[in-house]
Amino acid sequence: EAQVTQNPRYLITVTGKKLTVTCSQNMNHEYMSWYRQDPGLGLRQIYYSMNVEVTDKGDVPEGYKVSRKEKRNFPLILESPSPNQTSLYFCATAPGGPSYEQYFGPGTRLTVT
Amino acid sequence: SQQGEEDPQALSIQEGENATMNCSYKTSINNLQWYRQNSGRGLVHLILIRSNEREKHSGRLRVTLDTSKKSSSLLITASRAADTASYFCATDPNAGGTSYGKLTFGQGTILTVHP
Repeated sequence: EAQVTQNPRYLITVTGKKLTVTCSQNMNHEYMSWYRQDPGLGLRQIYYSMNVEVTDKGDVPEGYKVSRKEKRNFPLILESPSPNQTSLYFCATAPGGPSYEQYFGPGTRLTVT
Repeated sequence: SQQGEEDPQALSIQEGENATMNCSYKTSINNLQWYRQNSGRGLVHLILIRSNEREKHSGRLRVTLDTSKKSSSLLITASRAADTASYFCATDPNAGGTSYGKLTFGQGTILTVHP
């Protein structure tokens, strides 16, 4: 079954404590990306990756890091989380890039206190 | 305003009526996609229309694209209570025929269909 998985699904943490949200896909897709969703702002792209070892900034990359060492995984790293990073995060994948249908993960709800 | 803005922000209709949502964007695009999201869950792809297409159908969905006006519309015919969700357009900016890699979503239209 084609899947995009995210872990954890829910996380409450404190300011400054480094955390990683994992994203994994089993569809052999080249393109992976991270979004955050906030009320009234829609989805905003944080980072994207066109393939292994190829990553680039989206519209709101500040405070986030990513890596793409393997095709199936695209972790999102918050080195020093702050309350303004409290949000709903989605990972998405696609076979060739943003011009293709995106497959979304179930989301990770992050609260930073 | 940002690339990919939906209008209206919220739409409330009765079952059986048609629902029309609009999306406007700013730059040249390779294609435009529509997604649906049920309350806080992951987005689900509905339909993709390429920049050289003007209209596309999928079941009860009809999408139009007017590149001269940089706008698209999503029509859901004979709506059902199960269509209640948020709907987003997403645009893939065109960089001289290729993709930048970015995908920009609008703020979404919240559709409520009353039984």
